[in-house]
Amino acid sequence: EVQLVESGGGLVQPGGSLRISCAASGFTLSSHAMSWVRQAPGKGLEWVSSIVANGVDIYYANSVKGRFAMSRDTSKDTVYLQMNSLRVDDTAVYYCVKVLHPGGSNMIFDYWGQGTLVTVSS
Amino acid sequence: EVVLTQSPATLSLSPGERATLSCRASQSVNNYLAWYQQKPGQAPRLLIYDASNRATGIPARFSGSGFGTDFTLTISSLEPEDFAVYYCQQRFNWPPLTFGGGTKVEIK
Repeated sequence: EVQLVESGGGLVQPGGSLRISCAASGFTLSSHAMSWVRQAPGKGLEWVSSIVANGVDIYYANSVKGRFAMSRDTSKDTVYLQMNSLRVDDTAVYYCVKVLHPGGSNMIFDYWGQGTLVTVSS
Repeated sequence: EVVLTQSPATLSLSPGERATLSCRASQSVNNYLAWYQQKPGQAPRLLIYDASNRATGIPARFSGSGFGTDFTLTISSLEPEDFAVYYCQQRFNWPPLTFGGGTKVEIK
């Protein structure tokens, strides 16, 4: 059974940093692209970042480029999102998402974690 | 960036009725469009991918159609558990991956 379990969310001051994690199980992490999608309170879904199956190519939304860094550790079956220079408008539930098909960069999101809330406030 | 516009924003229907949701892209996305359902306090769930393919375990009352810039999600007969927010998402031209703003299907 596929499981994605996020952790590391919490309250952080503007300008601060936070790293959130996603523990993956039930599939081969090294074979699948993974993404982070966020949802601000009461708002819609916003794509944040994706790492393709090769683990080398990583893409970011313009709103987080230069501040956030996505990575993965296949030995730990874990995906990370390092968030620096956090702003109030980064406040959201952050979902870790797996893609449907192994290999490449197909971005069909078939499994979602339960989400971790990041609150940026002074 | 491909902008996805969903309409209507809110759809008020009764159980048993047919729901028709629209997603329009600002440029062609071929058939690389997916639909997700989200209930309050829950993560989104994949319903349809590549415009018309039902995801595993999705009931047959959910169907998708369209190509290019105009797409439709149809729920043939609403069940009580179908009242939720629905999002479309394109993967044809990225980054960025983009989502529509959502359609809320509420009980009339």
